[in-house]
Amino acid sequence: QSALTQPPSASGSPGQSVTISCTGTSSDVGGYNFVSWYQQHPGKAPKLIIYEVNQRPSGVPDRFSGSKSVNTASLTVSGLQAEDEADYYCSSYAGNYNLVFGGGTKVTVL
Amino acid sequence: QVQLQESGPGLVKPSQTLSLTCTVSGGSITSSGYYWSWIRQPAGKGLEWIGRIYGSGSTHYNPSLKSRVTISEDTSKNQFSLKLTSVTAADTAVYYCARDIADRVFFDYWGHGTLVTVSS
Repeated sequence: QSALTQPPSASGSPGQSVTISCTGTSSDVGGYNFVSWYQQHPGKAPKLIIYEVNQRPSGVPDRFSGSKSVNTASLTVSGLQAEDEADYYCSSYAGNYNLVFGGGTKVTVL
Repeated sequence: QVQLQESGPGLVKPSQTLSLTCTVSGGSITSSGYYWSWIRQPAGKGLEWIGRIYGSGSTHYNPSLKSRVTISEDTSKNQFSLKLTSVTAADTAVYYCARDIADRVFFDYWGHGTLVTVSS
């Protein structure tokens, strides 16, 4: 299984929106609605921010939203804030009890 | 509130076996509906799922690591463990344990992570 493809970096000014893509195949992203997104600040453990493509856990601001089209999932962060500067990882179920992560995207708030 | 804490040696010699334990508090590893996973992250790199165990003891492994990985549990201590054999420098990483929602495939609780370095 190959890692999902994410852009290495993305950026935006405070208040703007940034969208991160996560491209897989019909065997993972395209085949299941089990895409999740994690935010990771330096030196910290990842934190779940989106599950099942577009669901937000309790306590996650609604500035974070997820979507999926065919084999590509997307995470949009609206109204960027300084604390949103972090690494973001997608993951997807890949069948046969396997799971695959994306390579990560570093979001910079300009 | 579920909490997970990794423990184990921070330094392992090449060709030896890496062994880590995750102690879970605030919830039982035998509770239905949850898997318990290991995930690792080499410095400056992305996340890699290693494998998971269910409360019944059933396991699933990343195919790329399957030949070297064993995940087990000690329900009396509410712990689950990772063994990775024949390690090389490429296995140097921060290792996380996490709770995995069965049949929904996402990780809602994570440990803080523990750095394991493979070096002679």
